Amino acid sequence: DIQMTQSPSTLSASVGDRVTITCRASQSISTWLAWYQQKPGKAPKILIYKASSLESGVPSRFSGSGSGTEFTLTISSLQPDDFATYYCQQYNSYLYTFGQGTKLEIK
Amino acid sequence: QVQLVQSGAEVKKPGASVKVSCKASGYTFTNYYMHWVRQAPGQGLECMGIINPSGGSTSYAQKFQGRVTMTRDTSTSTVYMELSSLRSDDTAVYYCARAAPIFVLVPAAFDYWGQGTLVTVSS
Repeated sequence: DIQMTQSPSTLSASVGDRVTITCRASQSISTWLAWYQQKPGKAPKILIYKASSLESGVPSRFSGSGSGTEFTLTISSLQPDDFATYYCQQYNSYLYTFGQGTKLEIK
Repeated sequence: QVQLVQSGAEVKKPGASVKVSCKASGYTFTNYYMHWVRQAPGQGLECMGIINPSGGSTSYAQKFQGRVTMTRDTSTSTVYMELSSLRSDDTAVYYCARAAPIFVLVPAAFDYWGQGTLVTVSS
């Protein structure tokens, strides 16, 4: 299985901050990477697919980059609604795998 | 509109089995792969496996091999996930999630999710 490693596990930030979350794959996955946001008690919601494509309806303050084994999710100016847990996911192989998640907390 | 509606919460004893359903609507059921994902309390997301609703073929994560069975009923547009020999660490919310179109050979992320089904394993 392809292993996905996210960092940091927890991130404390303030409204208006620019934050970046990193995801590394154990082998090359080209750009077959997605980012999801999850709030407590809810199913995850897709933000970014194919490493850098913004899902319809997702605010433009979210952006993704990377290819191969290194990827980043950036939120350009944090809004109150953005405090949640974020997961990367590879879908290069038939069996998808997630990173362990990054909890974004209010500082 | 696309909807995935899952069955209700379950409480099971260790050693028992559980079968969770996911009924799809709003699209052609046999045209999209379906995955099952679980999330233990306070933990991350874990992919369990995939089913092709068209032909019924499956592939399971190694961790669940021998304990999980995914099936589908095309007459009701429903996929099922059965997990056997339940242990306390199987306590989790189980989600179905729609992924790639079957006949388009391009990978795709999860675009729609079920609401989740809480399975509690306790003696």
